[in-house]
Amino acid sequence: GQQLNQSPQSMFIQEGEDVSMNCTSSSIFNTWLWYKQDPGEGPVLLIALYKAGELTSNGRLTAQFGITRKDSFLNISASIPSDVGIYFCAGQLYNQGGKLIFGQGTELSVKP
Amino acid sequence: EAQVTQNPRYLITVTGKKLTVTCSQNMNHEYMSWYRQDPGLGLRQIYYSMNVEATDKGDVPEGYKVSRKEKRNFPLILESPSPNQTSLYFCASSSYRGTGNEQFFGPGTRLTVL
Repeated sequence: GQQLNQSPQSMFIQEGEDVSMNCTSSSIFNTWLWYKQDPGEGPVLLIALYKAGELTSNGRLTAQFGITRKDSFLNISASIPSDVGIYFCAGQLYNQGGKLIFGQGTELSVKP
Repeated sequence: EAQVTQNPRYLITVTGKKLTVTCSQNMNHEYMSWYRQDPGLGLRQIYYSMNVEATDKGDVPEGYKVSRKEKRNFPLILESPSPNQTSLYFCASSSYRGTGNEQFFGPGTRLTVL
């Protein structure tokens, strides 16, 4: 099936550092979503993007919908220990309404 | 409280014994979906439903069945479970309007098939 390539797979950073992760695909998407999953829980929506070029912030999180509609990135500024978890990107394909494709996830560890 | 609920949260069963995992949402959402999560593979869609009596296959539908007789419920059925269906399962729902699909996830069901 369709794939999203999410990188990096894991990150180990110091508290206070900024974090950047991204997702790319060979397919065109009309929606990009970023989720965070804490251990033992379901993914929680962080940011939703609907237009090419759109830049959206949610507190210390900023995400962008790539101009080509084939990529998106998520930045976390001034990381804190509670940022620990797995971050997923998800895209809704341009011509397949109803289906969401997920990236493999980025596991973030923050050292106090 | 707006939520997606799944039951059971944990299940250990044996090969071939039919089981059903229930999913219910109280947000009047049209769209519901099932995913499985396996290490290193992220979330893979099993089935989804755009509305009552409308279901479609996702990327990994083999060995699973679903039904959508009511808007709020979307059960996942494993007619003859096998060990390769041991996984963490998530149900999700959204108010799908064609322009976006902000899915809200349940807490997950951890299934082990022996």
